[in-house]
Amino acid sequence: AQSVTQLGSHVSVSEGALVLLRCNYSSSVPPYLFWYVQYPNQGLQLLLKYTTGATLVKGINGFEAEFKKSETSFHLTKPSAHMSDAAEYFCAVSDKNSGYALNFGKGTSLLVTP
Amino acid sequence: NAGVTQTPKFQVLKTGQSMTLQCAQDMNHEYMSWYRQDPGMGLRLIHYSVGAGITDQGEVPNGYNVSRSTTEDFPLRLLSAAPSQTSVYFCASSDRYEQYFGPGTRLTVT
Repeated sequence: AQSVTQLGSHVSVSEGALVLLRCNYSSSVPPYLFWYVQYPNQGLQLLLKYTTGATLVKGINGFEAEFKKSETSFHLTKPSAHMSDAAEYFCAVSDKNSGYALNFGKGTSLLVTP
Repeated sequence: NAGVTQTPKFQVLKTGQSMTLQCAQDMNHEYMSWYRQDPGMGLRLIHYSVGAGITDQGEVPNGYNVSRSTTEDFPLRLLSAAPSQTSVYFCASSDRYEQYFGPGTRLTVT
């Protein structure tokens, strides 16, 4: 069975500082990995995904993530935080054995301070 | 191309009532799934389908029923609503590599 752990339910950074949101996964078969963002009272927006190929993936709004199989990690980073990045972030995993349905982490709330 | 549509957007039920949340997609995707979102719990998988006539349980299937008679539609049935089913429900369809989410249904059970 697959699972996702997001370390830190709340992360606070200063505007302009590095954003690092941690995600570790488990999967018995090659995983597909995703990061989603959700703003208050809105739906989910896909930031980036890893399916195959290059392990460093770039997404929207300056975010990127690196798939590290040996560490079973898929951490999300952004070099310089903006106030508009304040939102809830979800890491998710899917694979063939679960019909490509997503298994989500519990989420990390990102606060950006001036 | 409407993508994934969900109806209704909002619903209030009394304990014990039943209802069906509708989900439809026009992208001819084989894979569809239902999630519920609760504060502090993230999104949890209720049921999923890998094609017409084929469904399976996710993490939190109790109290919910699904069927998939066509590729396009994947309704979620609440058999006897309970306050614990108060949540926001999202339907999604997938081409394996990406999930396309509907706008969600906010359900309150009193």
